[in-house]
Parts: sequence; C-alpha cells; structure tokens
Amino acid sequence: GESVGLHLPTLSVQEGDNSIINCAYSNSASDYFIWYKQESGKGPQFIIDIRSNMDKRQGQRVTVLLNKTVKHLSLQIAATQPGDSAVYFCAEIGETSGSRLTFGEGTQLTVNP
Amino acid sequence: DAGVTQSPTHLIKTRGQQVTLRCSPKSGHDTVSWYQQALGQGPQFIFQYYEEEERQRGNFPDRFSGHQFPNYSSELNVNALLLGDSALYLCASSVQGSETQYFGPGTRLLVL
Repeated sequence: GESVGLHLPTLSVQEGDNSIINCAYSNSASDYFIWYKQESGKGPQFIIDIRSNMDKRQGQRVTVLLNKTVKHLSLQIAATQPGDSAVYFCAEIGETSGSRLTFGEGTQLTVNP
Repeated sequence: DAGVTQSPTHLIKTRGQQVTLRCSPKSGHDTVSWYQQALGQGPQFIFQYYEEEERQRGNFPDRFSGHQFPNYSSELNVNALLLGDSALYLCASSVQGSETQYFGPGTRLLVL
C-alpha cells in the first residue's frame, strides 16, 4: 500500500554539524509534504512544508528538498544544536487523501555536545 | 495566542471502559483532526471534523467516535476499551482549505 517511510531510524551528530534526515514516499499523487519535530512527551511541532511543484524550500536553519523523480524528501538542519534532539517525522497529503496526514515512523536525532 | 490544547494530559482506564478526550483548536481554526500514536510509531489518522460533522475517517472501528461543538472544540470518544488502545491521542487543528495542521500536546491513555 501507499506509505511514507524513513531510511534510517536513528541519527547521531555532533553539535555544530549539519544534519540530514531522509524520507521516502511511495504515493506518486502526494502533493504536499510536512516535516514535524516531536520532543519527548510533546505533540509534533510544525517545522517546514513544501508543495510538489517545488524542489527546495528554506526556513530558519532548515531546508527541505524534494526529489519527485525518486520520491525522496530530506530535511537539512544547519549548525545542529542540542535543542534539535528529537524525533523527526515526514508526513504527506495526497491528492486523493483529502486533508489527512500520512506519517512515516520517524527518525530519532541525537545531538552530542 | 493560545495553541491547541488537550485534556486530560494522562488517563488510566481498564478494559471495557469508555473514555472521552477533549481538544480546543488554535484560535482562528475551524477544523479538528484526531490521530492515534502508538509508542515508537508515527501518528495514525482517526477522523476529522469540520462544521460539526465528521468529514473524513481513517481505518478505525466504530468504537471510535467524535463530536465537534459550535465553538470548534472537539471530543474523541472510545468505547469498550482494549489494551491495544493504549497510545498518545493527538488533536490537530487547521483552517478548512489549508493543509497545515498544528498539533496539541496529546493525551496519554493507558488501558489496563
């Protein structure tokens, strides 16, 4: 079936390094993607979104890249800080899914001081 | 500007009981979606309410029901609780027509 998934379940980086979190999706009809950050005991926090008619979008310290050819999404975090430690989820909305979000399983990012 | 709020924060129930969870959307938002998040998993869509009606539903049994009030707040009801219903229940609010959903802190439900 259609799904959104992640390549790696965990990622460990040094403070100050750049982080790259990857996500693969299988629904070719997906037209809207969101990255969420979820800290322990909290709800998912919106980070950045991108539509399927875009390849790249930048926010504050974060960049999302979309490669529709290989159905791949990535989140880049510049100068990673200890406060960035969390689980990161990609989620998508397809043309036929209304406004329901389909989430992947998440990547645990750990930032080492 | 208050974000999405949920109550209670934690809840313990026994099998067969019923539970009601509550959600107040972000100011200005009129659409509420509910998600179930099992430990170590991504959230799974339960249903969405807009204009006091269920607009979309995920793959959840009829034991899961909801309601939306005129002030846009919402309730999630789960009947005949099973051990497998233990999870974090998340409420997300949005403006109808916009895909961006903002989540509350969730209600942690434990079924014993």
